[in-house]
Amino acid sequence: GIQVEQSPPDLILQEGANSTLRCNFSDSVNNLQWFHQNPWGQLINLFYIPSGTKQNGRLSATTVATERYSLLYISSSQTTDSGVYFCAVGKGETSGSRLTFGEGTQLTVNP
Amino acid sequence: DTEVTQTPKHLVMGMTNKKSLKCEQHMGHRAMYWYKQKAKKPPELMFVYSYEKLSINESVPSRFSPECPNSSLLNLHLHALQPEDSALYLCASSHPGRGIYGYTFGSGTRLTVV
Repeated sequence: GIQVEQSPPDLILQEGANSTLRCNFSDSVNNLQWFHQNPWGQLINLFYIPSGTKQNGRLSATTVATERYSLLYISSSQTTDSGVYFCAVGKGETSGSRLTFGEGTQLTVNP
Repeated sequence: DTEVTQTPKHLVMGMTNKKSLKCEQHMGHRAMYWYKQKAKKPPELMFVYSYEKLSINESVPSRFSPECPNSSLLNLHLHALQPEDSALYLCASSHPGRGIYGYTFGSGTRLTVV
């Protein structure tokens, strides 16, 4: 199966700082999603981004499919950004196919 | 209505009990998923239903039995579980069709097997 590596595994920031999270994957994919899991366990979909660049407020993501990596940028971080960020990838061509998660980046934002 | 609702939020069951987890969505999604997540680990896929048919079973033990009664509802029936089955069980759904779309997850059921 596809291998997904996320870095760094842990990240501690002061409020207001910027950060970049990385996701490397071992095979071509046509499904790549970034999720944020809050301390209560809720997984929120941040981006569906198999290629290209997207922005949503203070968050943006870029996937370079030919080089098999994706980056998630968080600007002006807030304490509510704390939690685990997961990258998940898949090769299926339709919904209802397999999605494999990386181990995640644990982000702590201190006030 | 843009959410996936899971019930119950917490469940404690004995190893001889039978219980069910319920997942409901009203977004018209036709793919639904069960994931299992242990503490400090990523979610692991268990089952995928596409158009109410089981399309993927990730070699899950038979003590977990999924059911999709209609396009809005997904159940996970539990029987004779082991303490190591204690985990957060997450349901998700995604848009139908040939394209790929982002998943919407429920808030999960925290299961403890005693």
